Amino acid sequence: DTGVSQNPRHKITKRGQNVTFRCDPISEHNRLYWYRQTLGQGPEFLTYFQNEAQLEKSRLLSDRFSAERPKGSFSTLEIQRTEQGDSAMYLCASKRLAGKQNTGELFFGEGSRLTVL
Amino acid sequence: AQKITQTQPGMFVQEKEAVTLDCTYDTSDQSYGLFWYKQPSSGEMIFLIYQGSYDEQNATEGRYSLNFQKARKSANLVISASQLGDSAMYFCAMRDGSGGSNYKLTFGKGTLLTVNP
Repeated sequence: DTGVSQNPRHKITKRGQNVTFRCDPISEHNRLYWYRQTLGQGPEFLTYFQNEAQLEKSRLLSDRFSAERPKGSFSTLEIQRTEQGDSAMYLCASKRLAGKQNTGELFFGEGSRLTVL
Repeated sequence: AQKITQTQPGMFVQEKEAVTLDCTYDTSDQSYGLFWYKQPSSGEMIFLIYQGSYDEQNATEGRYSLNFQKARKSANLVISASQLGDSAMYFCAMRDGSGGSNYKLTFGKGTLLTVNP
């Protein structure tokens, strides 16, 4: 299966440490999105890329967060100096920009769950 | 600003019966898209069904149908012949209406569906 892949699936860290998550999208998808989902809530948009260009960042993405997609393929999301409030599921999604029926359907990975102690 | 409201935190249904999950939305855009996603305990968001704001007919995908009432701004999901494997969180989402060019989604808080044998 060549769906969206995220690593690691689970990460437990101490407050103040840096963490990095990786997302490998579906190979022909040029759009890549990061969402954050806290307990009992729906996913919230963080940022998205078209190829290697980061086109939009949410206000939720503080300066401790940085996302990259250096070659337009995989993406990383780094959180510096983690805080307990960063504990959440970080979801990656991708889509192909053009298509017969461009409904905007996003293909999601299984997420990376972060726990900050 | 767009908003999705799911008023049912949890729903129960007997196996083989039909169930309706409610979703109302708020937007000032004329062109928008509505989605339903399923999130099992594994965490992955699975696309179920899509309805465009200009689609005249309600969308259907197998056992899933979307009851779209534009004037009421509602987009309820109907699952027919429920199966045990349908037990999951269900999220209603809206595609950003700014020309739809970025395809970022706004999600509701979700409804936890439990199918009883």
